[in-house]
Amino acid sequence: GENVEQHPSTLSVQEGDSAVIKCTYSDSASNYFPWYKQELGKRPQLIIDIRSNVGEKKDQRIAVTLNKTAKHFSLHITETQPEDSAVYFCAARHTGDTGRRALTFGSGTRLQVQP
Amino acid sequence: NAGVTQTPKFRVLKTGQSMTLLCAQDMNHEYMYWYRQDPGMGLRLIHYSVGEGTTAKGEVPDGYNVSRLKKQNFLLGLESAAPSQTSVYFCASSYSQGVNEKLFFGSGTQLSVL
Repeated sequence: GENVEQHPSTLSVQEGDSAVIKCTYSDSASNYFPWYKQELGKRPQLIIDIRSNVGEKKDQRIAVTLNKTAKHFSLHITETQPEDSAVYFCAARHTGDTGRRALTFGSGTRLQVQP
Repeated sequence: NAGVTQTPKFRVLKTGQSMTLLCAQDMNHEYMYWYRQDPGMGLRLIHYSVGEGTTAKGEVPDGYNVSRLKKQNFLLGLESAAPSQTSVYFCASSYSQGVNEKLFFGSGTQLSVL
């Protein structure tokens, strides 16, 4: 099955700085890579996703990059704000096999933005 | 439109007791999932369903059973609870069209097994 590794497990940045979270995946057939944000005590929510036919996607201050050859993808947050403090999860899914329509999540990164 | 609703929100069990967690969604989603969240381990898939009447095993299915008798409901059962099943349980649903598949999560169930 798919295995997703995520680094770092914790990340502390100053407000206004950039934050980068990296993930690697094992199944070369995976073709969908979402990122979820979970604020303290809340449910995870999708913030951005990317397909395997795209190398980069941006949405305001967040961006995701994908390197299929190396099987890794990253989340970039620019101009960080205190409200960005949360746990971020990457995930990967293979969509070609009807028996495997489920996401495999990374272990999470706790991002703390210091004011 | 309530989205995904989980009950109960909190539960304490003794080892060996049984219980059922209920997940209900009102978005007419085909796919439903049960995940458990443990510190430092992310979200791990227990079981999932790709439609009414179907179920499939995820990464960590042992000790759990599920049923999807109605499209809107997905039940997770623990027949004989163990301390290792202490966790936060999240239900999720999605309406898969094409490649992308946004998950809508419930608010979670905090389960402690003593």
